[in-house]
Amino acid sequence: GENVEQHPSTLSVQEGDSAVIKCTYSDSASNYFPWYKQELGKRPQLIIDIRSNVGEKKDQRIAVTLNKTAKHFSLHITETQPEDSAVYFCAASYSGGSNYKLTFGKGTLLTVNP
Amino acid sequence: GAVVSQHPSRVICKSGTSVKIECRSLDFQATTMFWYRQFPKQSLMLMATSNEGSKATYEQGVEKDKFLINHASLTLSTLTVTSAHPEDSSFYICSARRGSVGGNVLTFGAGSRLTVL
Repeated sequence: GENVEQHPSTLSVQEGDSAVIKCTYSDSASNYFPWYKQELGKRPQLIIDIRSNVGEKKDQRIAVTLNKTAKHFSLHITETQPEDSAVYFCAASYSGGSNYKLTFGKGTLLTVNP
Repeated sequence: GAVVSQHPSRVICKSGTSVKIECRSLDFQATTMFWYRQFPKQSLMLMATSNEGSKATYEQGVEKDKFLINHASLTLSTLTVTSAHPEDSSFYICSARRGSVGGNVLTFGAGSRLTVL
């Protein structure tokens, strides 16, 4: 099955700096890679996703890059703000089957210091 | 759009009792729903995949007789923790896939925190 590795497990940055979280996946058939933000005790919220036919996607301060050859994808947050503090999860799935099961990374606790 | 409601948000029960958690898609039909378990400061671990009208598919290591899943309609899936014990205490989260319209995109419920005394 799919295995997703995520690094770092914790990340602390100063407000205004950039944050980068990296993930690798094992199944070359995976073709959908979402990123979720989860605040303490709350549900995961989809913040951005990318499909395997695209190398990069950007949405305001958030961007995701995908390298299919190396099987890794990264989340980039620029101009970080204290409200960006949360746990971020990457995930991978294959959309060719019938269930679209997501495999999650272990998460990154991002702390943005004012 | 794409709202998933999960109830109860918190439940405390005595050891040996059963607890039912409901997951509803409010404004779309969910062909597939997923149930996750999350321990403090850990990732979401998939427990089972629930398809409307068929038996759930459980992940390795998850006891299907312990965690009963029913997906009776396109908008409702339930997880019943049977004969709960303190080690079953956890945060349980459901998610729903919006059929072919949504592709892989999942919408999560708010989660249910189960405490077994």
